[in-house]
Amino acid sequence: SQKIEQNSEALNIQEGKTATLTCNYTNYSPAYLQWYRQDPGRGPVFLLLIRENEKEKRKERLKVTFDTTLKQSLFHITASQPADSATYLCALVYSSASKIIFGSGTRLSIRP
Amino acid sequence: DTGVSQDPRHKITKRGQNVTFRCDPISEHNRLYWYRQTLGQGPEFLTYFQNEAQLEKSRLLSDRFSAERPKGSFSTLEIQRTEQGDSAMYLCASSPPQAAGNTIYFGEGSWLTVV
Repeated sequence: SQKIEQNSEALNIQEGKTATLTCNYTNYSPAYLQWYRQDPGRGPVFLLLIRENEKEKRKERLKVTFDTTLKQSLFHITASQPADSATYLCALVYSSASKIIFGSGTRLSIRP
Repeated sequence: DTGVSQDPRHKITKRGQNVTFRCDPISEHNRLYWYRQTLGQGPEFLTYFQNEAQLEKSRLLSDRFSAERPKGSFSTLEIQRTEQGDSAMYLCASSPPQAAGNTIYFGEGSWLTVV
């Protein structure tokens, strides 16, 4: 079965630096890879989507890369702020009609 | 607020009791998903509907779990004979027809504690 691995350890970053989170998966590549943000006690919120044939996607301070050879996606937050502190979830979608499979998430803390 | 709405937000129940959660998706979203999440884990897929049809159901969903979406609008998730292992946050999400990359929109979840 498909497995998704995200940094199990929490990531602590100094404000203003770039935070980089990793998502690795096994088996075959998904059609889409998504990233969500989740704050404690709240539901996840969609951030970015990248397609299988795309290498990179940007949205404001966020950047996502997708390497189907390495079976890996990297999620970057530039000029990080304490308000960026949250858990970030990677999710895979294999077709438009399929369920979405989530990783266990990486907790990010930005210290002032 | 026109987001996904879940009710109740918190439920404490005794082991062996039945509980039901309700989800109202975003208007005109035809797909509706149920996930379960425990502390430190990502959301685990339970089931999903397209309109009123239940298209997929996880093997994690034992016979004690049932979900319905009778008119293709709101959905209910019922857990019968609850066990302590059912304690979790139950998340509902919805997506519109032809959502790019199947992007889904979550509600705030229903917390279940079985004592």
